[in-house]
Amino acid sequence: DAKTTQPNSMESNEEEPVHLPCNHSTISGTDYIHWYRQLPSQGPEYVIHGLTSNVNNRMASLAIAEDRKSSTLILHRATLRDAAVYYCILRRSGGYQKVTFGIGTKLQVIP
Amino acid sequence: DVKVTQSSRYLVKRTGEKVFLECVQDMDHENMFWYRQDPGLGLRLIYFSYDVKMKEKGDIPEGYSVSREKKERFSLILESASTNQTSMYLCASSTRQHYGYTFGSGTRLTVV
Repeated sequence: DAKTTQPNSMESNEEEPVHLPCNHSTISGTDYIHWYRQLPSQGPEYVIHGLTSNVNNRMASLAIAEDRKSSTLILHRATLRDAAVYYCILRRSGGYQKVTFGIGTKLQVIP
Repeated sequence: DVKVTQSSRYLVKRTGEKVFLECVQDMDHENMFWYRQDPGLGLRLIYFSYDVKMKEKGDIPEGYSVSREKKERFSLILESASTNQTSMYLCASSTRQHYGYTFGSGTRLTVV
């Protein structure tokens, strides 16, 4: 299974943009890049995913490197509610894939 | 709007007890998963199921078993609970395609 690497923690000032990096150098051509976040005392929630092109939704943007070996989750204006653990994973279509979430990046937002 | 429901938010069980953690999803998803989450270790996959009556071991299946008799329900069983199984347990479901996982709110299990 392809692995992802993220920093353990990051800090951001409130109302500033946040760029959360993820490395996935062993990604295969059929792997989609997914991001999730986990607020305290809750299960992870889906944020965004993409394959090759950059993606935007109401929660965030996903920038994918041209060689697909890294990606960046962009929160355009961090709020205190964005303080959470963010996970980057890879998954492909099919019923047999085992996906491990790892430790993720703990984002602290400073007022 | 709850889509993945875990039967208990908190559970306290005694060492040696048989423990059942239940998970139900209402999205007709084929895949279901059980993870445990411990400080500093992230989410670790225990078991997953890609169809009714089908199951696959994850990274840490020892001491656990699972049951999937119906598509919407995936049960995690601790045959003889031990203190090192004290943890947060998270259930998730997904389609077979590349779309996202939906997680439940978790069950915090304490084994005393």
